[in-house]
Amino acid sequence: GAVVSQHPSWVICKSGTSVKIECRSLDFQATTMFWYRQFPKQSLMLMATSNEGSKATYEQGVEKDKFLINHASLTLSTLTVTSAHPEDSSFYICSARAQGKANEKLFFGSGTQLSVL
Amino acid sequence: GQQLNQSPQSMFIQEGEDVSMNCTSSSIFNTWLWYKQDPGEGPVLLIALYKAGELTSNGRLTAQFGTTRKDSFLNISASIPSDVGIYFCAGRQAGGTSYGKLTFGQGTILTVHP
Repeated sequence: GAVVSQHPSWVICKSGTSVKIECRSLDFQATTMFWYRQFPKQSLMLMATSNEGSKATYEQGVEKDKFLINHASLTLSTLTVTSAHPEDSSFYICSARAQGKANEKLFFGSGTQLSVL
Repeated sequence: GQQLNQSPQSMFIQEGEDVSMNCTSSSIFNTWLWYKQDPGEGPVLLIALYKAGELTSNGRLTAQFGTTRKDSFLNISASIPSDVGIYFCAGRQAGGTSYGKLTFGQGTILTVHP
């Protein structure tokens, strides 16, 4: 399957700082990427849809000024958690849509564990 | 928003046993995907289903797209310890405007005892 690289795998930061997470599609172009948040033993919660060359679409309840998304190229989307607080600590996962000849599939990055002290 | 009901929530089985889990929805879906997630990792796609009634296998895994387009199941035969993990179903609603946007089930935590 297609490869989605997410970096960093884990990050520890101080409260008030900003953290940037990168999501790259390595062997395909992704016009659309998705960002999720996941708490332990729970399902994935979609935060936003990242569209190349346009503004991201945020899910209800997700602060767009808090979670900045940039999708500047067909292979890279970034999520920046601004002024991080301990309640932002979570597992963040990106996914990218790979469109094949007949059907499309969604492939995930390996996730980023964020711990805010 | 739309949710998928995935069951069971957890399973504890012996190595060699078969496993079955399923997802149901009140809405019609045009795509069903099954993922496995290991601790600290992102979900990995196991099987993708695109047509009602479709039955697809991937090694010891078999999944089916329900004929009503409102459900799907995943079977794992002859389980082994490395099958341990969380399994998620995900679906894409028919007629949705958010292209590519998936709805996820709550997950099934699978534990396999050697």
